[in-house]
Amino acid sequence: GQNIDQPTEMTATEGAIVQINCTYQTSGFNGLFWYQQHAGEAPTFLSYNVLDGLEEKGRFSSFLSRSKGYSYLLLKELQMKDSASYLCAVLDSNYQLIWGAGTKLIIKP
Amino acid sequence: DVKVTQSSRYLVKRTGEKVFLECVQDMDHENMFWYRQDPGLGLRLIYFSYDVKMKEKGDIPEGYSVSREKKERFSLILESASTNQTSMYLCASSSGTIVTDTQYFGPGTRLTVL
Repeated sequence: GQNIDQPTEMTATEGAIVQINCTYQTSGFNGLFWYQQHAGEAPTFLSYNVLDGLEEKGRFSSFLSRSKGYSYLLLKELQMKDSASYLCAVLDSNYQLIWGAGTKLIIKP
Repeated sequence: DVKVTQSSRYLVKRTGEKVFLECVQDMDHENMFWYRQDPGLGLRLIYFSYDVKMKEKGDIPEGYSVSREKKERFSLILESASTNQTSMYLCASSSGTIVTDTQYFGPGTRLTVL
């Protein structure tokens, strides 16, 4: 079966750095997405990785290792507004998106 | 900016009622999707459509149907609502010109079936 694993919840301090991991087992791979979802709101796109390595976008970076079936989202200089759920999703061989359950990130002052 | 709107943010219905959830996007996207989101589970695809009048079943189509009569509008229909269909329903769209294109989501409809 297809599976995406992420931690259910993480806590971090304002100004710090946090890494949210995602491991996947899917039938084929055509890229991995990270979305941010604030409580009660729609998911919004953060990043897309299809090649191995690190992609940096401001305070947020996303890393992919296809051989390990592993990705992480790195958030630097955390702000209170970064409190949200972070969803990992993989595009499989049929170009269907397989979603993880999301990681709820709590930022404390 | 892409805008995806959904007809209601909150909806309460009774068991057995027919329920219509509407989704409209304003970016001329080919692809539209309906998901449900439940605590502890990932987004689960109900149906999607890649063109007007075309529809494909997702992972959990049972108890649902869809309609896409116009490119900008994708409707989700619960023929006879049941309590296990209480959930957050999210609509999304993508351009379809690139298969890996980003999906843009609407704000969601929280449906409660009593």
